[in-house]
Amino acid sequence: NAGVTQTPKFQVLKTGQSMTLQCAQDMNHEYMSWYRQDPGMGLRLIHYSVGAGITDQGEVPNGYNVSRSTTEDFPLRLLSAAPSQTSVYFCASSYSIQGAPLHFGNGTRLTVT
Amino acid sequence: AQKITQTQPGMFVQEKEAVTLDCTYDTSDPSYGLFWYKQPSSGEMIFLIYQGSYDQQNATEGRYSLNFQKARKSANLVISASQLGDSAMYFCAISTGRRALTFGSGTRLQVQP
Repeated sequence: NAGVTQTPKFQVLKTGQSMTLQCAQDMNHEYMSWYRQDPGMGLRLIHYSVGAGITDQGEVPNGYNVSRSTTEDFPLRLLSAAPSQTSVYFCASSYSIQGAPLHFGNGTRLTVT
Repeated sequence: AQKITQTQPGMFVQEKEAVTLDCTYDTSDPSYGLFWYKQPSSGEMIFLIYQGSYDQQNATEGRYSLNFQKARKSANLVISASQLGDSAMYFCAISTGRRALTFGSGTRLQVQP
């Protein structure tokens, strides 16, 4: 099984550009989330979804949009990239929001110049 | 609110010895889950072990065990018989109610031959 698939693996953007980070899972998980990881820090929650059509903000949502039109896909959109958004982005899914381990994608390394 | 504190930025351990990675948490919710993840230098996030707040016994998974002390709000990870492949970042995380997983800042473990 593929698990959680993130694309692209690497991306370089110029300030002000927009882009979408793709995330897909094939485990029929209801819960999906996006985290960012900055050097020397843990993961911070950006947005999450408890099912198709339902999304909510996490700890650091500003500058990002999400939607959940299907159970499988949970794309993250950067509206107008800023250097502060340079980070590694992880998508994760689980069958429950509590008590179930997250399955992570391999991450997207984003650089904004 | 929920919070995880990992006070050891870095730890060294000799191969074949045991090591304890500290984690304290803060939550007012009586029902919660505690997780440990490993992140090797390759960057992927690997689930190690889970402890529920109502679990009577400490969780164990192979060489990993979770020393859960509820009154002290601590959930330390114990790795027995360390191996060179255990060198990695280790993250403690908590989930409560319908809140998504909150991570600590991590501990970098280096296993020396």
